[in-house]
Amino acid sequence: EIVLTQSPGTLSLSPGERATLSCRASQSVSSKYLAWYQQKPGQAPRLLIYGASSRATGIPDRFSGSGSGTDFTLAISRLEPEDFAIYYCQHHDTSPREYTFGQGTKLEI
Amino acid sequence: QVQLQESGPGQVKPSQTLSLTCTVSGGSFRSGGYWWTWIRQHPGRGLEWIGYIYYSGSTYYNPSLKSRVTISKDMSKNQFSLKLSSVTAADTAVYYCARADEYYNYYGMDVWGQGTTVTVSS
Repeated sequence: EIVLTQSPGTLSLSPGERATLSCRASQSVSSKYLAWYQQKPGQAPRLLIYGASSRATGIPDRFSGSGSGTDFTLAISRLEPEDFAIYYCQHHDTSPREYTFGQGTKLEI
Repeated sequence: QVQLQESGPGQVKPSQTLSLTCTVSGGSFRSGGYWWTWIRQHPGRGLEWIGYIYYSGSTYYNPSLKSRVTISKDMSKNQFSLKLSSVTAADTAVYYCARADEYYNYYGMDVWGQGTTVTVSS
């Protein structure tokens, strides 16, 4: 079973700053099936990044994803007030078929 | 634009079966390339995949829940459903339905329902 570990648990930054969030897999995974989500209080998660580095439809270009193997990163170049939320990484395995989520990083002001 | 909406009881008694339905609107459940998914989130916790179903009827479940989970579909109503048996307080959570896009988003879940809270309590 693949375990995704996100760090830091909480990241305190100010609007305009750059955020860097980490997701580490317990074993090498295909970057094709690595995604990132944003979740705000009381809302469903929103897909930000798929395939480790491709932005989902409608996602601003200040969000970027990178990485391969066991180490993946979500970067937010210039934080806007609406970016303060919880971020989850997710991997989909095709054999056996299952999803794994990281425990989340809370981005706070 | 595809939208998803969960429905079902907000409270279930211990040992009973939790039943939820997700209605797909603005698109067809029959469309290939999509896996119709159930996810849950325990209070103040992270996300847990429950399972998913393809329009053909193929299903896959989280191994930790597999013995208690059934996901089914009703194509005539453009719906898919979740049944979770023998529930305990540990099954109290917000339950989401979502669409996972196999071909474009590489199984990224790009459409979500708003979520429904289910409390297991006598």
